[in-house]
Amino acid sequence: AQKITQTQPGMFVQEKEAVTLDCTYDTSDPSYGLFWYKQPSSGEMIFLIYQGSYDQQNATEGRYSLNFQKARKSANLVISASQLGDSAMYFCAMREPSGSARQLTFGSGTQLTVLP
Amino acid sequence: DSGVTQTPKHLITATGQRVTLRCSPRSGDLSVYWYQQSLDQGLQFLIQYYNGEERAKGNILERFSAQQFPDLHSELNLSSLELGDSALYFCASSGGRSRAITGELFFGEGSRLTVL
Repeated sequence: AQKITQTQPGMFVQEKEAVTLDCTYDTSDPSYGLFWYKQPSSGEMIFLIYQGSYDQQNATEGRYSLNFQKARKSANLVISASQLGDSAMYFCAMREPSGSARQLTFGSGTQLTVLP
Repeated sequence: DSGVTQTPKHLITATGQRVTLRCSPRSGDLSVYWYQQSLDQGLQFLIQYYNGEERAKGNILERFSAQQFPDLHSELNLSSLELGDSALYFCASSGGRSRAITGELFFGEGSRLTVL
């Protein structure tokens, strides 16, 4: 069963505008973590932001914020003031406590293109 | 720079051959994860090691094997290679200096395998 769903294969945004990348997840465990990673064309995976299921406030890291709606099981990434360098693939991921394993399950990704 | 080192960065080989991918985790990280990223399958978790022992197994084929050595570096062995094994193979690590509460994975730059 698909645990992480990213429904936007591709997104375009004008430079300096904000953009929201969607992510929904499925888990029956009350304790979980949600992550966003960025993959530029060079290929490396860059950690952006984390949200714990018990966190009361939405996570923020610089221009990145996570719109966490627990009841809807969504964890959308908001990028403010987009820059050309934000053009990349973005992956949402989840970690469920599964014994001592701490691997992440990734969504299919959203390709973001920032237009000048 | 994530601190995770993967070699080789690129590898071209023929069907039926065997290759070994190597990963050095970040200093202090005890866990190593292997992921496969292909166009049709996305990012798939293969296997996790923690301090030399296998901790979790994902969608890893029987033709593939891995191990983690006493110095914590890890190797992923891919044998009887098929065209469909062409992919970007990532190693990631965690468990050391990463914040215990988030446990984000730090990824290497990947090893791009092309099977001809």
